[in-house]
Amino acid sequence: DIQMTQSPSSLSASVGDRVTITCRTSHNINSYLNWYQQRPGKAPKVLIYGASSLQSGVPSRFSGSGSGTDFTLTISSLQPEDFATYFCQESYSTLRTFGQGTRVDIK
Amino acid sequence: QVQLQESGPGLVKPSETLSLTCSVSGGSLRTYYWSWIRQSPGMRLEWIGYIFNSGTTNYNPSLKSRLSMSVDSSKNQFSMKLTSVTAADTAVYFCASNAKGGTNSFEYFHHWGQGTLVTVSS
Repeated sequence: DIQMTQSPSSLSASVGDRVTITCRTSHNINSYLNWYQQRPGKAPKVLIYGASSLQSGVPSRFSGSGSGTDFTLTISSLQPEDFATYFCQESYSTLRTFGQGTRVDIK
Repeated sequence: QVQLQESGPGLVKPSETLSLTCSVSGGSLRTYYWSWIRQSPGMRLEWIGYIFNSGTTNYNPSLKSRLSMSVDSSKNQFSMKLTSVTAADTAVYFCASNAKGGTNSFEYFHHWGQGTLVTVSS
């Protein structure tokens, strides 16, 4: 099974900050990595698929990079609506495993 | 715009069967394939399985022995049944569409229902 490790598990940031979240996988998954945003009480929403492709309608301040086992989600300038939990997810294996999540709070 | 809505009992007794249905509007079941995903109280997300409009399925091996999925094209719905439930099956259950994008056809979960909380308790 592929293990997914996100870091940090939580962070506090201010509006306008640049935020970086990391996802590390236990096996090489090429670019089969997606990022989701989940606001409290809501369903996850896809932001990035294929490690770096921005989903239609998602603001350009979100970007993804990486391949193999190390991946990054970057928010270039944090906005009030970005305070949420972010999950990575691999689509390489049958299990389609999710990371444990990174909560982004207001500092 | 595709919209999904889960329905089913919010409380199931241990050892009984959990049954959920997802109603799809704004699109055809033929356009995507369809997954169930659950989120535990600890916020962990777990893919349960998917089904095509044809009825072809693919299940998470950890749930395969207790899981079945079906599709009703006439109602634009798909369903899941999980037997012999325990407290560990308590979660918010989401239905979602599986889409593919990019030159390598990367799969991702595109549309999501709002989720329904299922509690397993006597």
